[in-house]
Amino acid sequence: QKEVEQDPGPLSVPEGAIVSLNCTYSNSAFQYFMWYRQYSRKGPELLMYTYSSGNKEDGRFTAQVDKSSKYISLFIRDSQPSDSATYLCAMSNTGRRALTFGSGTRLQVQP
Amino acid sequence: DGGITQSPKYLFRKEGQNVTLSCEQNLNHDAMYWYRQDPGQGLRLIYYSHIVNDFQKGDIAEGYSVSREKKESFPLTVTSAQKNPTAFYLCASGLAGDNEQFFGPGTRLTVL
Repeated sequence: QKEVEQDPGPLSVPEGAIVSLNCTYSNSAFQYFMWYRQYSRKGPELLMYTYSSGNKEDGRFTAQVDKSSKYISLFIRDSQPSDSATYLCAMSNTGRRALTFGSGTRLQVQP
Repeated sequence: DGGITQSPKYLFRKEGQNVTLSCEQNLNHDAMYWYRQDPGQGLRLIYYSHIVNDFQKGDIAEGYSVSREKKESFPLTVTSAQKNPTAFYLCASGLAGDNEQFFGPGTRLTVL
């Protein structure tokens, strides 16, 4: 079993929809949680960074962490065609610093 | 213009050859990382370095080597011992003691 599980998609939604992307994990030592957006053939771009449980909002993006369920989510409101990309969750613990990634979910927002 | 640069963008290698991928950053970051990305498998850690002249193996270090002689540079060599090197290679950097990592544009390596 992988340490971080992520539904690969593809997830196809109409423009303006609310998108929910999710990851589950097995390592209870993870405390730092990130979401990256990766366009085709490009490097990942950091979108959201949260520590421990709770919510964080940045514009149309909201990240949620539920450590008791080992479950994290990224919500995208009013989705746009420019949001079409692969979204990667990543997490780490205090000691290691290096990130453990999910396999990525490919999102397509249809105009 | 601050950032992370990787070169070349595309690289072709014949079987049995060693090749070196370049990664440079001018963000004054202490920590640098190399990841490999394959379709459907996300990013996997090859090597990382938190300080000059020191580096650690990641989860899939076999067949790879690195050096960290300068803070700004962290080149990765893919040796002939790496049996399946065709992949997208990503370099990242971050501040020491921080978990945020920032990625370069990547190098796509293809073995002919």
